[in-house]
Amino acid sequence: DIVMTQSPLSLPVTPGEPASISCRSSQSLLHTIGFNYVDWYLQKPGQSPQLLIYLGSVRAPGVPDRFSGSGSGTDFTLKISRVEAEDVGVYHCMQALESPYTFGQGTKLEIK
Amino acid sequence: VQLQESGPGLVKPSETLSLTCLVSGGSADSYFWSWIRQPPGKRMEWIGDIYYNGSTNYNPSLKSRVTISIDKSKIRFSLKVTSVTAADTAMYFCARFFPGDEAFDIWGQGTTVTVSS
Repeated sequence: DIVMTQSPLSLPVTPGEPASISCRSSQSLLHTIGFNYVDWYLQKPGQSPQLLIYLGSVRAPGVPDRFSGSGSGTDFTLKISRVEAEDVGVYHCMQALESPYTFGQGTKLEIK
Repeated sequence: VQLQESGPGLVKPSETLSLTCLVSGGSADSYFWSWIRQPPGKRMEWIGDIYYNGSTNYNPSLKSRVTISIDKSKIRFSLKVTSVTAADTAMYFCARFFPGDEAFDIWGQGTTVTVSS
C-alpha cells in the first residue's frame, strides 16, 4: 500500500496568518496522463470530510481561493494564504492513484 | 445528491456489522460508491467500493470479511463486515467517488459503530 505521511500533526495558527501542511507519499502519485492523484479534505469538528483540492491542485467547487494545493511526485503541500476561524478542523491528504486508497494521519489546525 | 448512513450503533464481537447508505437527489449511475471508516485516534481507512453496475473492489486488509452491494433501484448501497472485533469500532462514512476528478466529492454524515459485548 502507498503510505501517506503528513506534517505537522498539529498546527496552531493566528487568524490572518498563512498556514502550510505537507504530505509525502511512499511512491510517486504522478499519473501517466500528467496529473498527481492526491486530494485534500477538511473535516470540521463534528462533520464529515469535505473535498478541498483534487488532482493535486484543483480547487473543488465553492472552496475559497485562499486554499491552494501544489507539489508533484511524492511531495505535496496544502497552503492557506490567510487563515480564518472557520478553517479549524483536521486536514487529510489522500492518494487516489491505486487501490487501496490511503490517507495521511491528519493535521489538526487550531486557532491561537 | 445527499448520502445518509444507517444501521446499528452497537454490534457484538464475532457478529456481522451491517450498514446502509441511502442516495437521495440523484442517480447512482456512473459513479463509484465507497465505504470509509475512521477508528478513534487513527487515520481514515478506505474499506471498498462498488460501481453502479455492481462490480466491487475491496481493501485487501479487509477483503475476507467485507461485502458491498447495491440494490436494484440503485438508490442505496450496503456494507457488511463479518466476524467483527473491537478493532472494527469506528465512525463509518459512505462517500461518492467521482471518476476523472479522482476524489470523494460527496460524503455522508457518518455513523458510529461500537463493537462490544
